[in-house]
Amino acid sequence: DQQVKQNSPSLSVQEGRISILNCDYTNSMFDYFLWYKKYPAEGPTFLISISSIKDKNEDGRFTVFLNKSAKHLSLHIVPSQPGDSAVYFCAASAKRGNEKLTFGTGTRLTIIP
Amino acid sequence: SAVISQKPSRDICQRGTSLTIQCQVDSQVTMMFWYRQQPGQSLTLIATANQGSEATYESGFVIDKFPISRPNLTFSTLTVSNMSPEDSSIYLCSVGLGPDTEAFFGQGTRLTVV
Repeated sequence: DQQVKQNSPSLSVQEGRISILNCDYTNSMFDYFLWYKKYPAEGPTFLISISSIKDKNEDGRFTVFLNKSAKHLSLHIVPSQPGDSAVYFCAASAKRGNEKLTFGTGTRLTIIP
Repeated sequence: SAVISQKPSRDICQRGTSLTIQCQVDSQVTMMFWYRQQPGQSLTLIATANQGSEATYESGFVIDKFPISRPNLTFSTLTVSNMSPEDSSIYLCSVGLGPDTEAFFGQGTRLTVV
């Protein structure tokens, strides 16, 4: 039972354009959502997060949107840069901080120069 | 932030043997976790490594197969016992620094069982 789903295994976007990565979840107990970025041979690195009390969080080129009623979140990267090429994982937890994370299967983003 | 060192970074092992993976953190942390990423799959939590007590395992993972030690607040080990090819995965150590921070990950150990 996959509680966090990323239905697009891969995505290619032209440099300078907007990248939109999507994530759906099923567990209503999830209260905190995160995006991690992973390069080959490295561990995931935290990118941005959002609490369920918000519907948007922005950090530079990265914005995460949360639609709690639809149990859907998305990550927007604008403008996309070649260094953004990586695998992006959506994750969820019951609370921020020390709680265990439930991950999606990841989306491989390729930015085309 | 935290710097997490995992050893080994990769290994190729014979089936039936065991491998111990080490996770060293550059500061004391309250929470340490072990994850597994099977090929093409998401990261799945194996267990929470508790300092001074037995690890807390997630459904589908047992202590006999994945014994975990955590002798202090900066170090933990995960052993993959009696390995089979199905254990071929990336194993990742993760730490939590507190209620207002996000989890940090080590670079992972890529294990191939032949």
